[in-house]
Amino acid sequence: QKEVEQDPGPLSVPEGAIVSLNCTYSNSAFQYFMWYRQYSRKGPELLMYTYSSGNKEDGRFTAQVDKSSKYISLFIRDSQPSDSATYLCARCPNSGYALNFGKGTSLLVTP
Amino acid sequence: DAGVTQSPTHLIKTRGQQVTLRCSPKSGHDTVSWYQQALGQGPQFIFQYYEEEERQRGNFPDRFSGHQFPNYSSELNVNALLLGDSALYLCASSRRQGVPTNEKLFFGSGTQLSVL
Repeated sequence: QKEVEQDPGPLSVPEGAIVSLNCTYSNSAFQYFMWYRQYSRKGPELLMYTYSSGNKEDGRFTAQVDKSSKYISLFIRDSQPSDSATYLCARCPNSGYALNFGKGTSLLVTP
Repeated sequence: DAGVTQSPTHLIKTRGQQVTLRCSPKSGHDTVSWYQQALGQGPQFIFQYYEEEERQRGNFPDRFSGHQFPNYSSELNVNALLLGDSALYLCASSRRQGVPTNEKLFFGSGTQLSVL
């Protein structure tokens, strides 16, 4: 079983919609969770990271971790066409360890 | 402040050849990691360098090797190229604070390698 599972989409929403992106993970050890955004032909860009259950908010983005169900979510409010990209969730078991990425979810926000 | 820079941006090789990819980390960063991203997949960890030594390695054969220089820049070498090595190769840097801080990795734009 892959450590991080992510629906590849594609997901298409109208501008202004609330977007929900989700991942599940299989390992129960203490760990960090991250969300990266990747535009076409570019490297991933860190959006948010957290290590605790609950919500973390940054502008239009909210990361949510539910460790009891091993579920990670990213919510994007007031989505914009510039949010169109692939969103990658990732985990690492400890600050010093390598990241395990999901396959990424392709998001298209239409004007 | 320059971010992570990688060269070249694109590369075409044939099976059996060898390739070297280069990376300069973000200013102030001393730890470099390399990832391979196949089309439609998430990045897969290859290895990580700190203090000019390989510190961690993912599930890649020893055809994949690397080096880190005293100025923290790094190279990724792949020998005996296979068609399946075609991918985007990403370099990421971070700053060690006791241990490498991978929760804040900064990625370069990658090198797109095509093996024919």
